[in-house]
Amino acid sequence: DQQVKQNSPSLSVQEGRISILNCDYTNSMFDYFLWYKKYPAEGPTFLISISSIKDKNEDGRFTVFLNKSAKHLSLHIVPSQPGDSAVYFCAASAISNDMRFGAGTRLTVKP
Amino acid sequence: DTEVTQTPKHLVMGMTNKKSLKCEQHMGHRAMYWYKQKAKKPPELMFVYSYEKLSINESVPSRFSPECPNSSLLNLHLHALQPEDSALYLCASSQTPFTGGTGGYTFGSGTRLTVV
Repeated sequence: DQQVKQNSPSLSVQEGRISILNCDYTNSMFDYFLWYKKYPAEGPTFLISISSIKDKNEDGRFTVFLNKSAKHLSLHIVPSQPGDSAVYFCAASAISNDMRFGAGTRLTVKP
Repeated sequence: DTEVTQTPKHLVMGMTNKKSLKCEQHMGHRAMYWYKQKAKKPPELMFVYSYEKLSINESVPSRFSPECPNSSLLNLHLHALQPEDSALYLCASSQTPFTGGTGGYTFGSGTRLTVV
């Protein structure tokens, strides 16, 4: 039972443009949502999170949007840079429960 | 020190071997986790140690045996593995159990395990 889904396995964008990575979830008990970034041969690195009481959180070039009614969140990267090329995992957690991860989206930013 | 260190980075073992994966953190985190990740799949939780006690075992076969000798160390002992156990094994830690929401878990780089 995959409670967090990333339906796009890959995404390719041009440098300087916007990257939009999407994530859907099924468990309405989730109260925190996170994005992790993973380079080859490294572990996932925490990128940005959002609480279920918010609909937007911004950190520099990264913005996460949460639509609770649609059980959907997205990560916007503006402007995209070649160094952003990595696998991005969406994750969600409920109080006193472990995080659940999506399968990841491989982002390629072309110079 | 803000890292989780995993050794070895790569491991090839036969089905009759016994080996151990090691994980270390010095951030004072009191929760540590083992995850297994197969290609193009999400990380799957295997074990959770909370204040050095095993709090969750997600129905993992007994050929995987975790150990937490102290608050900084986490081991995963492997014995009689199968080829389908080949995967990336990730260790993670957090300040307290399941506080991933406030700042995420800190992951190690993983051990790439191949069972032959």
